[in-house]
Amino acid sequence: GIQVEQSPPDLILQEGANSTLRCNFSDSVNNLQWFHQNPWGQLINLFYIPSGTKQNGRLSATTVATERYSLLYISSSQTTDSGVYFCAVEPSGRTGGGNKLTFGTGTQLKVEL
Amino acid sequence: DGGITQSPKYLFRKEGQNVTLSCEQNLNHDAMYWYRQDPGQGLRLIYYSQIVNDFQKGDIAEGYSVSREKKESFPLTVTSAQKNPTAFYLCASSILTDNSPLHFGNGTRLTVT
Repeated sequence: GIQVEQSPPDLILQEGANSTLRCNFSDSVNNLQWFHQNPWGQLINLFYIPSGTKQNGRLSATTVATERYSLLYISSSQTTDSGVYFCAVEPSGRTGGGNKLTFGTGTQLKVEL
Repeated sequence: DGGITQSPKYLFRKEGQNVTLSCEQNLNHDAMYWYRQDPGQGLRLIYYSQIVNDFQKGDIAEGYSVSREKKESFPLTVTSAQKNPTAFYLCASSILTDNSPLHFGNGTRLTVT
């Protein structure tokens, strides 16, 4: 099956710093999403971005589908950004719609004062 | 407020007992999913359903069973055949079209001793 690798596995930032998280995937995809899991386990959908660039406040994401990677940018980080960031994909060719996603193992982010 | 409700938040069982985890959504989503998360890992797909009275196995369905008698409800039973049932279980839902993001409940943490 498709492989999803995220880097770095762990990241510690000072509040106000910027960061870039990377997601590499081994096959072409028609569905790529970024999620944030807070320290209490709640998963929030950040972006649906199988290609192109999107921005939402201090967060933005870019997926270069032809080169099989996606980047998540966090600017002016805050302590509430702490948690785990997951990239999840669905390979091209799967039919029927929906979200049968394969997840990476995540980037654990800690933002300190 | 629309959302996905999982109950209970914490669940404890003795080995050899079946246990059922509840998932209810009022988002009018057609598709529902169960994922499992182990410590330090990404999520893995157990089962999914795109329509009432129909469901499909995901990547790790062995030892689990589901039903979809109502659009709003997708309970998961962890049977005694599941060799390592202790985990964090997350229910999700989405619209059944392309470009539809996945939304998660708050999860049930199951401990089997």
